[in-house]
Amino acid sequence: DAKTTQPTSMDCAEGRAANLPCNHSTISGNEYVYWYRQIHSQGPQYIIHGLKNNETNEMASLIITEDRKSSTLILPHATLRDTAVYYCIVRVAGSGGSNYKLTFGKGTLLTVNP
Amino acid sequence: DTAVSQTPKYLVTQMGNDKSIKCEQNLGHDTMYWYKQDSKKFLKIMFSYNNKELIINETVPNRFSPKSPDKAHLNLHINSLELGDSAVYFCASSQDTGSTIYFGEGSWLTVV
Repeated sequence: DAKTTQPTSMDCAEGRAANLPCNHSTISGNEYVYWYRQIHSQGPQYIIHGLKNNETNEMASLIITEDRKSSTLILPHATLRDTAVYYCIVRVAGSGGSNYKLTFGKGTLLTVNP
Repeated sequence: DTAVSQTPKYLVTQMGNDKSIKCEQNLGHDTMYWYKQDSKKFLKIMFSYNNKELIINETVPNRFSPKSPDKAHLNLHINSLELGDSAVYFCASSQDTGSTIYFGEGSWLTVV
């Protein structure tokens, strides 16, 4: 019952920017957008998250539309090691209770080509 | 230093056996989780503990019993293993129930 829609797969050339889209048209005002990735045979790795404003860290940038119904994860200079399944997840903000779990969808398989 | 560590990484066992997977986090987090990733690669939450108390139990068969001896550990015990239990099991932790969740590297369980 993931509340996001992502393309099944995408390709990107090494050294170019990878732009991964995500639709979350039913997102609530108190839900964050989280991005994780899973490299083959490894555990999910946290990338970035945001609520309303665009966010940037050492791994990626997150662009959230003004209406918050979609977002884009940007890997500015993709490398072969960025080949992975990328998951976009909406998650209730705050703490306490049991409503703050991460619900994973199918994600986008990003393949970075040499 | 691995923040969330699981043992064993690989486990092959026969149907009907009882096995445990151990998880430890050295991040000082209050909340820990177990997720299961099946052969179709879907990641689903199984359990969550906050300060050693169970807060999420996602309709997992009662053959699966998590145990949290302290906040830094959340072990998963599985009784009477079945073929369908073959999967990758991921332990995770977060500072509290609403904070960013960090995952371990997974434990590959194969039931034969």
